[in-house]
Parts: sequence; structure tokens; C-alpha cells
Amino acid sequence: AQRVTQPEKLLSVFKGAPVELKCNYSYSGSPELFWYVQYSRQRLQLLLRHISRESIKGFTADLNKGETSFHLKKPFAQEEDSAMYYCALSREYGNKLVFGAGTILRVKS
Amino acid sequence: GAGVSQSPRYKVAKRGQDVALRCDPISGHVSLFWYQQALGQGPEFLTYFQNEAQLDKSGLPSDRFFAERPEGSVSTLKIQRTQQEDSAVYLCASSSLLISRGSSYEQYFGPGTRLTVT
Repeated sequence: AQRVTQPEKLLSVFKGAPVELKCNYSYSGSPELFWYVQYSRQRLQLLLRHISRESIKGFTADLNKGETSFHLKKPFAQEEDSAMYYCALSREYGNKLVFGAGTILRVKS
Repeated sequence: GAGVSQSPRYKVAKRGQDVALRCDPISGHVSLFWYQQALGQGPEFLTYFQNEAQLDKSGLPSDRFFAERPEGSVSTLKIQRTQQEDSAVYLCASSSLLISRGSSYEQYFGPGTRLTVT
């Protein structure tokens, strides 16, 4: 069965500190992995996907197939990064998404 | 252009009532998804349309849930005889099937409809 686990409900860091939001998955094939973000009072939006290997808003995520992880990282957190972050997977890009429970990131000044 | 819109944004229903939730996808988007998000959880897949064809309804929790997209654009999710466990945010997402750089296949989400069953 496909499953996405985000072990932290809440991650609180100070501005300028490094951030790592954890995501582990279980899937029998080769999934596509995504990070979605929801800022306060805004809709869910795609932040980045593993296949593009881009850095978006300073965030990066590397797919580690051995550890079945896709952790989201940023070296220096900013207050505007405060949001709910969801890790998700799909069988292929364009297919239905399986989401984790989400992690609230709070960046304190 | 306009994004995905959903209506109503909030719906309160008494247990046993029927409700209908509407989704207007981005114009020209072929794929349409419905997700259910319970409080404190991530969205969970309900059903998927490609144009007017419902290709996957494996996530619908019971036969009280029914979705349609008769003309391949607007979609309606109907819940009959609502129960308290149906209380959730219902999200709609749409995507194109164009193979191109950037937003190809990306799912664009609507604001959701928050359903409360009392």
C-alpha cells in the first residue's frame, strides 16, 4: 500500500536557522514525490517535485530510495516560510496524490 | 486567468440531508480530482475524471458519495444522507494533460468546501 509519513506535526525554528521537514514513504514501485505548501488563508500549491530537482524559495528535497525518504530542507529559514507543508506521492506525475498528514512550520523572529 | 473555484465555501448540513458541492476547474483542464481532508489530516483521494469519464472512484468512502462531470468541465460531488463523519474540507484539483515544461500535469487546487454535519 502507498503511504506517506510525516513524523512531526509541528516544527518551530528561529529565523535564520536551518530547516528540515521529514518525509518517509512506502511504495512498491518508483513513485513521484512532491512537497505541497499551504500558507495561511491560501490554497494548497505545489512547492517542488523530485523529478525537477529544482530549488524553490530556497527549499530543496532529495529523493533517497534506500531510506525511502524525501526530506525538505532550507539552510536559513525566513518568517514567510511559516505554513503547512505536505509531502505527497503519486504513481506517476498527473495521477492521484497520496498525502502525509502535514507538518506546520513556524519560523519565529 | 482564474484558478479552480469551488462553491459553496462553507456548508452546514443536518445529519441525513443531501448536499451537492461544485467545482469549476481551470478552463481547458482535462483532469479533475476530488479529495477529502479531515481535520488534522492530509487530503485523501476520492475520485478522478478525465473529461467526462470517471476513471477512478476507488476513494469514495461509501455509496452515499457520488460524483459527476457530465460535460467534461464543471463537476459536482454529491453526498446523500450526510453523517457526522462526512464533516471535512472537500478539495477539488484540476490539471492539463499537455506535455510541456513547468506546469504539465501539475494539480491546481481550489479553496475547498468546508462541510459541517450537525
